Amino acid sequence: DGGITQSPKYLFRKEGQNVTLSCEQNLNHDAMYWYRQDPGQGLRLIYYSQIVNDFQKGDIAEGYSVSREKKESFPLTVTSAQKNPTAFYLCASSIDGTHNQPQHFGDGTRLSIL
Amino acid sequence: GENVEQHPSTLSVQEGDSAVIKCTYSDSASNYFPWYKQELGKGPQLIIDIRSNVGEKKDQRIAVTLNKTAKHFSLHITETQPEDSAVYFCAARDDKIIFGKGTRLHILP
Repeated sequence: DGGITQSPKYLFRKEGQNVTLSCEQNLNHDAMYWYRQDPGQGLRLIYYSQIVNDFQKGDIAEGYSVSREKKESFPLTVTSAQKNPTAFYLCASSIDGTHNQPQHFGDGTRLSIL
Repeated sequence: GENVEQHPSTLSVQEGDSAVIKCTYSDSASNYFPWYKQELGKGPQLIIDIRSNVGEKKDQRIAVTLNKTAKHFSLHITETQPEDSAVYFCAARDDKIIFGKGTRLHILP
């Protein structure tokens, strides 16, 4: 059963701590994306990757980092430099990064500050 | 860059009636327009999409219309059911995808 798996579902961060959110897909998709969702807001792009070992900043990359060492994995690290990290984080993938391919989403990770 | 406006932000309709959600976009180069449904605590799920070479697409109770001249597109849900209650997002894509801010749809019994 193909899909996108995000873990954990809930995550708590202490002040000054880095945390890493996991995203794995078995859809054999080349492109992967990370979005942040705040209440009443649309999805804002943090980072995206169109191919292994390559990624680009999105609209709100400050305070975040990513890696793409494997096609199926695209972990997101929320660093201590991100001053307002409380949000719902969504990972997505698409067949490739071309303009008219749909993105498929995981069920998200909710990050909160302790 | 692209900007997507979505209206209304909240919509309540009686079960069995139709619901319409409208979006406008700014970049005439956008050529792909997906719609997503998001239930509480879940990720968005693609429900229908339309490409710029067609004006309308239908899938059972859901239809999307696109007016490229006016740069707006709409989602139509007919014969609404309780399970249609969710947040719906439109999006427009040229070199990257831009989402609207969402519409919370309530289906009233």
